[in-house]
Amino acid sequence: QVHLVQSGAEVKKPGASVRVSCKASGYTFTNYGINWVRQAPGQGLEWMGWINTYSGNTNYAQKLQGRVTMTTDTSTSTAYMDLRSLRSDDTAVYYCARYGSGSWLDYWGQGTLVTVSS
Amino acid sequence: EIVLTQSPGTLSLSPGERATLSCRASQSVSSTYLAWYQQKPGQAPRLLIYGASSRATGIPDRFSGSGSGTDFTLTISRLEPEDFAVYYCQQYGSTLYTFGQGTKLEIK
Repeated sequence: QVHLVQSGAEVKKPGASVRVSCKASGYTFTNYGINWVRQAPGQGLEWMGWINTYSGNTNYAQKLQGRVTMTTDTSTSTAYMDLRSLRSDDTAVYYCARYGSGSWLDYWGQGTLVTVSS
Repeated sequence: EIVLTQSPGTLSLSPGERATLSCRASQSVSSTYLAWYQQKPGQAPRLLIYGASSRATGIPDRFSGSGSGTDFTLTISRLEPEDFAVYYCQQYGSTLYTFGQGTKLEIK
């Protein structure tokens, strides 16, 4: 069965960077893309961007352009999301989610809490 | 960027009642690219409906989706205790995704 397993919680200081990983199993990694979605405490879902795991092409939400980078390691079926210049309002649970040709997000990781605090 | 507006913000109903959740888009959305998700506290979202009206694997048939263009609806025919959660609509268009702000379905 399909699983997306994310890395553990992180605590970072303002201005630092964070890397969240998402290891996929149970399917051919390069047949599906990966989206990243975050959720601030008590708030709704915010789309961050996607990566085509076959081509490596990416598309990021405009508000995160310049601070976010999404990559993959196809040898380990792992996707990564790097976020730089962290601010307190980046505190959120970060999710990876799989998408196929229809764009819907059919499998999600368990979420990674990133806390930004001085 | 297409904005999705969900209504109501909170819906208070009793088990056994029918729930109707709305998602309105700021411009026309292809039905192919309209989905609904359910999220319970402390859990990741779960795909319920894709392509506006197709149920995802394992989703009970009391959940149904409809609509086209700018107006989409998620209907839960008879509420079960486990259905009380937050529901989000999501669209994909012009390489961008957007989510609605969510509707909280609470027990009356």
